[in-house]
Amino acid sequence: EVQLVESGGGLIQPGGSLRLSCAASGFTVISNYMNWVRQAPGKGLEWVSVIYSGDSPKYADSVKGRFTISRDNSKNTVYLQMNSLRADDTAIYFCARGSTQLVDYWGQGTLVTVSS
Amino acid sequence: EIVLTQSPGTLSLSPGERATLSCRASQSVSSSYLAWYQQKPGQAPKLLIYGASSRATGIPDRFSGSGSGTDFTLTISRLEPEDFVVYYCQQYGRTFGQGTKVEIK
Repeated sequence: EVQLVESGGGLIQPGGSLRLSCAASGFTVISNYMNWVRQAPGKGLEWVSVIYSGDSPKYADSVKGRFTISRDNSKNTVYLQMNSLRADDTAIYFCARGSTQLVDYWGQGTLVTVSS
Repeated sequence: EIVLTQSPGTLSLSPGERATLSCRASQSVSSSYLAWYQQKPGQAPKLLIYGASSRATGIPDRFSGSGSGTDFTLTISRLEPEDFVVYYCQQYGRTFGQGTKVEIK
């Protein structure tokens, strides 16, 4: 069974850093497009980043230069390192497996709150 | 960057009615790369349609997708009570539209 479990969210001050983790089971992250998608409170979905073997990671313009996606194949885990956090980064962050055509499995999300 | 615009923002209908949701792209999108998702409150999104018109596994046949180029449509033929939630389109596994909320009239 495919499962994605996010962790690492919490309350962080503006300008701070946080690393989110996404532990995958039932498949291997190295063989799939692994995405981070976020949703601000009461708002829509915003694609954040994707990592896939054979290509460089991609980022939304809103996080480029501040966020870094990576993976640890031995742990079958994907990470999102978030630096220089701002209030508008406050959101639920979903880890999601997909492809260029779709996203087929989602985690339950982890809440990141950026506030002083 | 391709921008997806969904309309209407909110659709007010009654159970049993037909819902037609629109997703318009700022540039042409290959049909292979257009997907639709349903999101219920407090839950992660769920894949409904991929490749513009292919239903995902387990999705009832009252949901259908169509379109090409810059104009895509999600149709719910007969609304069930559980269908009154929010729907998003997505292109190339990345950019999402802003969503359409289907509410009970």
